[in-house]
Amino acid sequence: DAMVIQNPRYQVTQFGKPVTLSCSQTLNHNVMYWYQQKSSQAPKLLFHYYDKDFNNEADTPDNFQSRRPNTSFCFLDIRSPGLGDAAMYLCATSTQDSGANVLTFGAGSRLTVL
Amino acid sequence: GQNIDQPTEMTATEGAIVQINCTYQTSGFNGLFWYQQHAGEAPTFLSYNVLDGLEEKGRFSSFLSRSKGYSYLLLKELQMKDSASYLCAVRDSNYQLIWGAGTKLIIKP
Repeated sequence: DAMVIQNPRYQVTQFGKPVTLSCSQTLNHNVMYWYQQKSSQAPKLLFHYYDKDFNNEADTPDNFQSRRPNTSFCFLDIRSPGLGDAAMYLCATSTQDSGANVLTFGAGSRLTVL
Repeated sequence: GQNIDQPTEMTATEGAIVQINCTYQTSGFNGLFWYQQHAGEAPTFLSYNVLDGLEEKGRFSSFLSRSKGYSYLLLKELQMKDSASYLCAVRDSNYQLIWGAGTKLIIKP
């Protein structure tokens, strides 16, 4: 089945130790998103790619970086995780960035910072 | 600013009907979405409304009134598996998705 796969599902890191989360998709969608979601809060968009065009949200901290080496893969790098970065990180894809395009989400990567 | 308002939590009984409301204030409107999110899992798409009226899909229906900035999700014949958070999201004039914080629905036997 076509899907969005995130690894790892659970990541524990120490304060300040870099982390990389990965996302792969078999849907051939041209738009990929990274969201941060904290408990009982709305998902917060960090950045998205329209094909190779990178779009950074204005309030996304510099501590967060992203790479999309090809259509299928996208990475989220957290350079120096702080306690406030503990959250669920959701990768999503869609076919276009307008209209009734539905987001397909991965299962998420839950980050714990000690 | 842009905001989406939903009740934080609702409780309903198995087999009953529940209506989850969503009001929005956004810069323009290009569609409203409802997603279901079980605890610790990713959101999954439920419904999309872009025109006023009711969209029905099995046990779930979604209603939209653009003039009132209002939508609701109606769940019929509630099952225990419907216990989840329900997220309302609006696409604004820049095609950005504005998300609500979600309504946690608790189903009791």
